[in-house]
Amino acid sequence: EDQVTQSPEALRLQEGESSSLNCSYTVSGLRGLFWYRQDPGKGPEFLFTLYSAGEEKEKERLKATLTKKESFLHITAPKPEDSATYLCAVRVSGGTSYGKLTFGQGTILTVHP
Amino acid sequence: DTGVSQDPRHKITKRGQNVTFRCDPISEHNRLYWYRQTLGQGPEFLTYFQNEAQLEKSRLLSDRFSAERPKGSFSTLEIQRTEQGDSAMYLCASTTGTSDYEQYFGPGTRLTVT
Repeated sequence: EDQVTQSPEALRLQEGESSSLNCSYTVSGLRGLFWYRQDPGKGPEFLFTLYSAGEEKEKERLKATLTKKESFLHITAPKPEDSATYLCAVRVSGGTSYGKLTFGQGTILTVHP
Repeated sequence: DTGVSQDPRHKITKRGQNVTFRCDPISEHNRLYWYRQTLGQGPEFLTYFQNEAQLEKSRLLSDRFSAERPKGSFSTLEIQRTEQGDSAMYLCASTTGTSDYEQYFGPGTRLTVT
């Protein structure tokens, strides 16, 4: 069974204090790893898609990386507006998956001014 | 705004009542997904439509749940005889099914069953 585990469950940072979120996955065949941001009471907002080990993508203060077993979301010099829940999801190949996403439980990030 | 829309945003109902939610995907997106999210958890897949055809359903989708996508446009999710365990955020997502398969989510419908 495909599994996605995110750590830590919650992370508190001071403004400007860089850190990383982890997403470990066990899947039969990876067709894509996705990062989303979710604000309270809202739907997830798409951030990145990664497809192969060694791939990296950046957007403002965020950088996502991928290995064969895990992905990291690096946050450089975070600001309070980066506070949110960050979700990792995988899309697997084969069978009748039809592109559905399997999500981790999320990491709640709080950035204090 | 041409994103995914969902209606209603909030629904409070009594146990045993039926409820129906609507999702309007991004207009050119032919693939539509429903997910359910409970507090502190990531979204869980419920069902998938490609155009008007429902091609996949999760084991989470009991007989009390039914979904439709007439004419391949908007979709509805109905829950019959609601139970307190149905309380959750119901999310809809759509994608073109080409290139990156990025799914774009709507704001969700928060269901509370009392």
